[in-house]
Amino acid sequence: GAGVSQSPRYKVAKRGQDVALRCDPISGHVSLFWYQQALGQGPEFLTYFQNEAQLDKSGLPSDRFFAERPEGSVSTLKIQRTQQEDSAVYLCATRKRDSYNEQFFGPGTRLTVL
Amino acid sequence: AQSVTQLGSHVSVSEGALVLLRCNYSSSVPPYLFWYVQYPNQGLQLLLKYTSAATLVKGINGFEAEFKKSETSFHLTKPSAHMSDAAEYFCAVSLGEGGSEKLVFGKGTKLTVNP
Repeated sequence: GAGVSQSPRYKVAKRGQDVALRCDPISGHVSLFWYQQALGQGPEFLTYFQNEAQLDKSGLPSDRFFAERPEGSVSTLKIQRTQQEDSAVYLCATRKRDSYNEQFFGPGTRLTVL
Repeated sequence: AQSVTQLGSHVSVSEGALVLLRCNYSSSVPPYLFWYVQYPNQGLQLLLKYTSAATLVKGINGFEAEFKKSETSFHLTKPSAHMSDAAEYFCAVSLGEGGSEKLVFGKGTKLTVNP
């Protein structure tokens, strides 16, 4: 497709459930980022991949959060044993090489944990 | 560490009036600076970016921003507001070439345009 796509767009989970959020990047974009946007806040960095290598995961809030990009294209953000504080919009962004870090964002997945 | 401060979480203007959204940054090295716009239930769309070339940057939809190193500011302006400009605006900073790839965002400013 022409842009970054994310699925599902909305996810409701019961506390304690595991969830998996998918990001399909723009074709050819080597860098992929995950951000978490709490209600009324700006996006906050979670993790970053260059191709299949996870180069920075300093923003992951706990060991319940795990991200992968095994073939350097599609990425999955997994949250285990979800908690209410995990409720947020999860944004995926991708960047092509040598683009002054201009990142293209997907529409996000809104996660609600009950 | 980098940080961004957006002054005013809500700004309200009349249609046709000047839009001014404020952004101040902190960075230990020359930064790249960005303004993004977010419409309800949508992702972020890039309005404009500063990457150490011209200090006055023109973006889409008639927006522009000026990088002022002495003031560590990157305020966003538009001469005449349109109803379609109502949205949330985010200022972001990243380190320049060779630095960390992540974007650090401000908390956002919600712009309301009154008829």
